[in-house]
Amino acid sequence: AQKITQTQPGMFVQEKEAVTLDCTYDTSDPSYGLFWYKQPSSGEMIFLIYQGSYDQQNATEGRYSLNFQKARKSANLVISASQLGDSAMYFCAMRGPGGATNKLIFGTGTLLAVQP
Amino acid sequence: EPEVTQTPSHQVTQMGQEVILRCVPISNHLYFYWYRQILGQKVEFLVSFYNNEISEKSEIFDDQFSVERPDGSNFTLKIRSTKLEDSAMYFCASTLSATRETQYFGPGTRLLVL
Repeated sequence: AQKITQTQPGMFVQEKEAVTLDCTYDTSDPSYGLFWYKQPSSGEMIFLIYQGSYDQQNATEGRYSLNFQKARKSANLVISASQLGDSAMYFCAMRGPGGATNKLIFGTGTLLAVQP
Repeated sequence: EPEVTQTPSHQVTQMGQEVILRCVPISNHLYFYWYRQILGQKVEFLVSFYNNEISEKSEIFDDQFSVERPDGSNFTLKIRSTKLEDSAMYFCASTLSATRETQYFGPGTRLLVL
């Protein structure tokens, strides 16, 4: 069965510093996708970044990068130069290859607080 | 930029009442999903829909739930007889391809069952 684990329930970071949010996953499928979503206090789910299991390079999107270590089954999100607006809940999610649906399985999330 | 929209943003209902949550997925997307998030918990998959039929559903999605794509744009989730434990944020999501593309989420409908 597929599983996503986020072990950090909450984190603080100083404005302008970098922060790493941890995510480990478990799957026996060779083909899968890993996502990070941001959920601000308003509640919407905002897509941040995607990494495919066969992608050779780590994904980057602006200030977001994904530190993908396949052998360790980890997909940590790195936010560089944190801003106050980065304060939110962050969810790691995995999509498997199976079936026609490829539903997302989410972790429990990490609440990030950026301090001025 | 195209986006998934959901209505209403908030719904308050009494236990036992029927509710219909509405979603308009991104226009060229083919796969549609409903997820829910109970307050303070993680997001959970409910159901996926493709080619006008359910392709997968979770154990949460029992006989009280149904989905429909009544026309070319709307995608609805109906809860026939709401329970207190149905109180949650309900997210609709859509994607163009099930295997290669990102799922884009709507802003959610916050349902409160009293």
